[in-house]
Amino acid sequence: DVKVTQSSRYLVKRTGEKVFLECVQDMDHENMFWYRQDPGLGLRLIYFSYDVKMKEKGDIPEGYSVSREKKERFSLILESASTNQTSMYLCASSISGHEKLFFGSGTQLSVL
Amino acid sequence: DQQVKQNSPSLSVQEGRISILNCDYTNSMFDYFLWYKKYPAEGPTFLISISSIKDKNEDGRFTVFLNKSAKHLSLHIVPSQPGDSAVYFCAAKRGWTGNQFYFGTGTSLTVIP
Repeated sequence: DVKVTQSSRYLVKRTGEKVFLECVQDMDHENMFWYRQDPGLGLRLIYFSYDVKMKEKGDIPEGYSVSREKKERFSLILESASTNQTSMYLCASSISGHEKLFFGSGTQLSVL
Repeated sequence: DQQVKQNSPSLSVQEGRISILNCDYTNSMFDYFLWYKKYPAEGPTFLISISSIKDKNEDGRFTVFLNKSAKHLSLHIVPSQPGDSAVYFCAAKRGWTGNQFYFGTGTSLTVIP
């Protein structure tokens, strides 16, 4: 089974802190994605990556950056956390040309 | 701009009855559609999909119907079970090989025992 692992289930940070969310997948998938889930807004794409060192902006990239130095790892960075970034963050991966996304369990981030 | 919409935030159904979850899309370039199921504190898991060359796809208790002219799809669960209680997300993309998925806002289904 594909495993997508997010490093933290719950995270509490202060406004202005730099925050790193880590995601690792074990199936050699080319594509990796970061989404945030908010009530009434569904899943919104922040950034995605087709390959190592490649990244593409999604629908809501403002306030975020990403890093993909190795194929299995995709990091989401909040340069200066703000309260409106309190959310559930979901990492996903897929094989290029494959129909499905495989999701991690999510990180619930609270910015105080 | 939300290209995939689920207009019912919640739905309650009696155990054993049919659950019908609806999804509308605006982008005519979408031709591959998926449903994901999400339990609290877990990531979404793939449930069922349909290509635009079909109008129906069935997998056990789950059937997805696609009406391309109306840009509408629906997920039918028959019979509904308490374990089906979850949030269901509709998703769309361009082509089976497309890499970018567009998700709806989700419908929270509660199946009452």
